[in-house]
Amino acid sequence: QKEVEQDPGPLSVPEGAIVSLNCTYSNSAFQYFMWYRQYSRKGPELLMYTYSSGNKEDGRFTAQVDKSSKYISLFIRDSQPSDSATYLCAMFWAAGNKLTFGGGTRVLVKP
Amino acid sequence: DSGVTQTPKHLITATGQRVTLRCSPRSGDLSVYWYQQSLDQGLQFLIQYYNGEERAKGNILERFSAQQFPDLHSELNLSSLELGDSALYFCASSVDLTETQYFGPGTRLLVL
Repeated sequence: QKEVEQDPGPLSVPEGAIVSLNCTYSNSAFQYFMWYRQYSRKGPELLMYTYSSGNKEDGRFTAQVDKSSKYISLFIRDSQPSDSATYLCAMFWAAGNKLTFGGGTRVLVKP
Repeated sequence: DSGVTQTPKHLITATGQRVTLRCSPRSGDLSVYWYQQSLDQGLQFLIQYYNGEERAKGNILERFSAQQFPDLHSELNLSSLELGDSALYFCASSVDLTETQYFGPGTRLLVL
């Protein structure tokens, strides 16, 4: 079993819809949780970063962490065609000293 | 633009050859990470350096090696290249060991 599981998609939604992405993990030691966006095999770009359970909002993006269920989510409101990309969740714990990525979910927002 | 630079952008070489990939971290970042991304394996952590010293190793092959220089730039050396080494290689940097990582644009390696 992988430490971090993420549905590969693709996830296709109409423009303006809410995009809902999630990851599950097995290592309860993970302390920091991130979401990266990657366009067309370019470098991943950090979108959201959180280290506690609960919600964190930044513009159209909301990251949610549920440590008791080992589950994190990313919501994109009012999705735009420019949001079409692969979204990677990533998790980190200090003692493990490495960032562990999910496999990524490909999202397609149709105009 | 993340502030992390990588050269070259593209590299085409033959099996058995050796190549060197270069990374310059963001100004002020002490930690450098190398990742490999292939279609079937996703983003795989290879190795991390912090202020010139190796700090963590991931799924790095013995044919691969890396180092971080006093000016904090890093090089990833890939030798005895095989077809399966064809991938995108990313460098990332962070301020210290627990801060978030910022990725460079990557080097696309094609081994023929």
